[in-house]
Amino acid sequence: QQQVKQSPQSLIVQKGGISIINCAYENTAFDYFPWYQQFPGKGPALLIAIRPDVSEKKEGRFTISFNKSAKQFSLHIMDSQPGDSATYFCAAADRGSTLGRLYFGRGTQLTVWP
Amino acid sequence: NAGVTQTPKFQVLKTGQSMTLQCAQDMNHEYMSWYRQDPGMGLRLIHYSVGAGITDQGEVPNGYNVSRSTTEDFPLRLLSAAPSQTSVYFCASSYYARGETQYFGPGTRLLVL
Repeated sequence: QQQVKQSPQSLIVQKGGISIINCAYENTAFDYFPWYQQFPGKGPALLIAIRPDVSEKKEGRFTISFNKSAKQFSLHIMDSQPGDSATYFCAAADRGSTLGRLYFGRGTQLTVWP
Repeated sequence: NAGVTQTPKFQVLKTGQSMTLQCAQDMNHEYMSWYRQDPGMGLRLIHYSVGAGITDQGEVPNGYNVSRSTTEDFPLRLLSAAPSQTSVYFCASSYYARGETQYFGPGTRLLVL
């Protein structure tokens, strides 16, 4: 059973536009929600993360919005640039468990056209 | 710090052959894990370790073995390679097991013929 569902699978955005990627989860014990960014031929790297005590976190052009009641969170990339073209993974973890492992979504391949 | 290193970068195997994918980290991280990445499937956890001498299975462990004799190294063994194991393999580590930032290696691309 997939713990974190991510959509869309692929996304094409024009330069300067807003990219939005959505994720949903069922396990209410999850309390840590990171986003990872992966460029072709590289390993994923942490982009931004949020904990459920806040509804939004912004770092530069990247913003996570979190809706605890709906069990959804999303990544917004403002003023999207060709250099943002990458695969994005959302993830979730229950930091209180003995394992605290990350459960990843299936990824979104973002292409930003110049 | 070199971070997380993986060798080899690319490997071709014939069905039934065995091999070991190497992973090392120099950050003194307790938690290490192996993922495989397949198109449209995201990152699936194969095995993980919360410290030297302690390993456990993830969601897709069949066909893979691991051991953790030191904090730094976490090799992944394929005992009898199958075409279904064609994938990109990533090793990751973090200081705490509990959902903290995981640092990924550059990956090993494996082709099983």
